[in-house]
Amino acid sequence: DQQVKQNSPSLSVQEGRISILNCDYTNSMFDYFLWYKKYPAEGPTFLISISSIKDKNEDGRFTVFLNKSAKHLSLHIVPSQPGDSAVYFCAASLLNYGGSQGNLIFGKGTKLSVKP
Amino acid sequence: GAGVSQSPSNKVTEKGKDVELRCDPISGHTALYWYRQRLGQGLEFLIYFQGNSAPDKSGLPSDRFSAERTGESVSTLTIQRTQQEDSAVYLCASSVTGTGWAEAFFGQGTRLTVV
Repeated sequence: DQQVKQNSPSLSVQEGRISILNCDYTNSMFDYFLWYKKYPAEGPTFLISISSIKDKNEDGRFTVFLNKSAKHLSLHIVPSQPGDSAVYFCAASLLNYGGSQGNLIFGKGTKLSVKP
Repeated sequence: GAGVSQSPSNKVTEKGKDVELRCDPISGHTALYWYRQRLGQGLEFLIYFQGNSAPDKSGLPSDRFSAERTGESVSTLTIQRTQQEDSAVYLCASSVTGTGWAEAFFGQGTRLTVV
């Protein structure tokens, strides 16, 4: 039973346009949401995150939106660049009873291709 | 080292043999995670360490899988009697521990092929 779902396995976007990657989750107790980016033969690298108390976080070309009522988050990349072509993983985290981060639960990823 | 280091980077083993995969986390990172990624699949959680103990090992797929961590540092993931379905990239990540969220840094992974 997947707690974090990325229903689009792939997305193709023209350079300069907006890329929108979507993620849904089932556990309303998640405290933190993250996006990781992965190139082939490399480990995932952190991209951007958002706390459950916020609905938007922006970092340069990357913006993450959180809709708690819909249990949905999205990553917007504007403008998209060919170097953004990678697999993007959505992840969610629960704080444990001590207040520190517990497990990180990942979605299956969305492969983004940005065409020149 | 500056980042999370995993060894070996590639491992080919015969079905039925045991394998050990090693993870050296970033110094000072007390949280350590193991994931695996099978071909065309997402990141599958295996086990999570806080210090040397594992509060969440719910992702270990069978009793052939075990992991330990010593000195709040190096972790070893052991797969006994390997099967072909164990073929995957095994990824390790570490993070600091404190109140709130902390970024998890990943190693480059160990690609395991069971033939």
